[in-house]
Amino acid sequence: GAVVSQHPSRVICKSGTSVKIECRSLDFQATTMFWYRQFPKQSLMLMATSNEGSKATYEQGVEKDKFLINHASLTLSTLTVTSAHPEDSSFYICSAQDRGLPYEQYFGPGTRLTVT
Amino acid sequence: ILNVEQSPQSLHVQEGDSTNFTCSFPSSNFYALHWYRWETAKSPEALFVMTLNGDEKKKGRISATLNTKEGYSYLYIKGSQPEDSATYLCAFKGRGGGSEKLVFGKGTKLTVNP
Repeated sequence: GAVVSQHPSRVICKSGTSVKIECRSLDFQATTMFWYRQFPKQSLMLMATSNEGSKATYEQGVEKDKFLINHASLTLSTLTVTSAHPEDSSFYICSAQDRGLPYEQYFGPGTRLTVT
Repeated sequence: ILNVEQSPQSLHVQEGDSTNFTCSFPSSNFYALHWYRWETAKSPEALFVMTLNGDEKKKGRISATLNTKEGYSYLYIKGSQPEDSATYLCAFKGRGGGSEKLVFGKGTKLTVNP
């Protein structure tokens, strides 16, 4: 149980284009989902917390207009990187919190984004 | 800014060796400490959630201890096997506003040689 899928696993896009990443909880309902980013040799850094049906809460230094988050259902959250630039190239990973098990966060496998 | 440190950064051991690594975290406003195991190209897998000072948890050959007063947790692997090769992450969760937020260390990359 507690499986989180993430799609795509890898994407290459050109500078200036937008990329959407999906995060799905497959066998549980997630009222809260989290989006993280990891640069090489760095730790996972929280970008934003996404609550179903409400606006996401962004961490300091993360541009909300650039990283659009939508959490329209209890099983799906999306992150759209708008007008991507090479410096947005990173590993993006989501996690979902089972509303029945608030201590746990279950992670997707991540998305490697490369902006050329 | 909360700081979570893990050491060592990487570790190479032989099959059958026992090993341990450390996670240091703030000793104030503690809520929970998470350990994850992350194999390449897979999702991080939750190992333990520790909440009480003095907690000791075990899953097979892997165990963890927690000291919230001094702000550290140890992860132990007994009789390492090649399939234990992974990056082990710890994450601190504080009490208070935004308590759901996990602050991660950089991880300890373990390689177990057959």
